[in-house]
Amino acid sequence: EPEVTQTPSHQVTQMGQEVILRCVPISNHLYFYWYRQILGQKVEFLVSFYNNEISEKSEIFDDQFSVERPDGSNFTLKIRSTKLEDSAMYFCASGRGQPTYEQYFGPGTRLTVT
Amino acid sequence: AQSVTQLGSHVSVSEGALVLLRCNYSSSVPPYLFWYVQYPNQGLQLLLKYTSAATLVKGINGFEAEFKKSETSFHLTKPSAHMSDAAEYFCAVTPGTNAGKSTFGDGTTLTVKP
Repeated sequence: EPEVTQTPSHQVTQMGQEVILRCVPISNHLYFYWYRQILGQKVEFLVSFYNNEISEKSEIFDDQFSVERPDGSNFTLKIRSTKLEDSAMYFCASGRGQPTYEQYFGPGTRLTVT
Repeated sequence: AQSVTQLGSHVSVSEGALVLLRCNYSSSVPPYLFWYVQYPNQGLQLLLKYTSAATLVKGINGFEAEFKKSETSFHLTKPSAHMSDAAEYFCAVTPGTNAGKSTFGDGTTLTVKP
């Protein structure tokens, strides 16, 4: 069964550095998402992406964040200048839309900012 | 707009006892509802989904949930708890739109006592 994959599984970076989190969505999916989960808290929506543009973004997704689908298979989340509070688990998800609107989640990347 | 409320951040049951995890939702459009399980330091695993077909939905690992529109609820149940059910459980709502984001509840930690 196809799965969403994410790399790396764990990323440690210093405050102020740029990070790129990578995701390979399921191949015939059209809708892509990033969510994050701060340790011990709930999963929060960051951004949705369709047809090579952002469909919706949350207030968390400020100018430090960007997303890209550079080559038709990968879907990336870039954080330009990481802060301590960016430490979280980041989940990528993809979906087909109709009829179930189900989103398939990847295993996550744990980002630790020191 | 949509929201999810999970009543009870912690639920403790004895092995073999009934599991009941509560979820109430709010949605301005017909909702699509999901329950996910998360084991420590792992990703989100889909347990079951309501997608406007049958109101009683069966999922994996013996879990089921009933969609009650009049009560705006989607409670998760399992007749007999097993030690391996100990985990964090998240209820989520997605609007019936193609790029719609999922909104998660705060989660319920299930503890199973021997």
